[in-house]
Amino acid sequence: EVQLVESGGGLVKPGGSLRLSCAASGFTFSSYSMNWVRQAPGKGLEWVSSISGGTTYIYYADSLKGRFTISRDNAKNSLYLQMNSLRAEDTAVYYCVREAVAATCFEYWGQGTLVTVSS
Amino acid sequence: QSVLTQAPSASGTPGQRVTISCSGSSSNIESNTVSWYQQIPGKAPKLLIYSNNQRPSGVPDRFSGSKSGTSASLAINGLQSEDEADYFCAAWDDSLNGRYVFGTGTKVIVL
Repeated sequence: EVQLVESGGGLVKPGGSLRLSCAASGFTFSSYSMNWVRQAPGKGLEWVSSISGGTTYIYYADSLKGRFTISRDNAKNSLYLQMNSLRAEDTAVYYCVREAVAATCFEYWGQGTLVTVSS
Repeated sequence: QSVLTQAPSASGTPGQRVTISCSGSSSNIESNTVSWYQQIPGKAPKLLIYSNNQRPSGVPDRFSGSKSGTSASLAINGLQSEDEADYFCAAWDDSLNGRYVFGTGTKVIVL
């Protein structure tokens, strides 16, 4: 069974940093592209970043302007999101998401971790 | 900053057919496949349709997807009370070095 478990969310002050983690299990982690998708309270879904299985391809939403960094450790079956210079508008539930191997879609989602940026 | 446009809401009575549209452009829907997601309030989204019209195993066949040009649609046939949820479309966008884009979301209300 595919499982994605996020951790690392919490309350942080504007300008602060936070590192999210996602522990994956139930599949060959290194074979799949992984993503972070966020959802602000009461709002829609917003794609944040994507990283291919071998880290060759990395993409970010333009709105992040270099503040976020995605990474992965295939030996530890883990995905990460380093978030710096956090702003109030970064407040959201952050989902760890696995892409399908043969289709462009978000196949499996974690339960999400809430990041709140507030003074 | 959603790039794909959806109507805010749609409604129907049990048993009816409801259709949700997703409007995009040549850089996303027209040139890439579309997927659809269902989100029950308080839960994580769930993949409903991929590659425009394919259903993952376990998704009821009353859900169907289609695409034409720069638009895509999700149809729910035989609407059921448990279908009340938010629905989002998504596609890869070839502009700006590549990115995924989501629709604005449609809340389906079962009357």
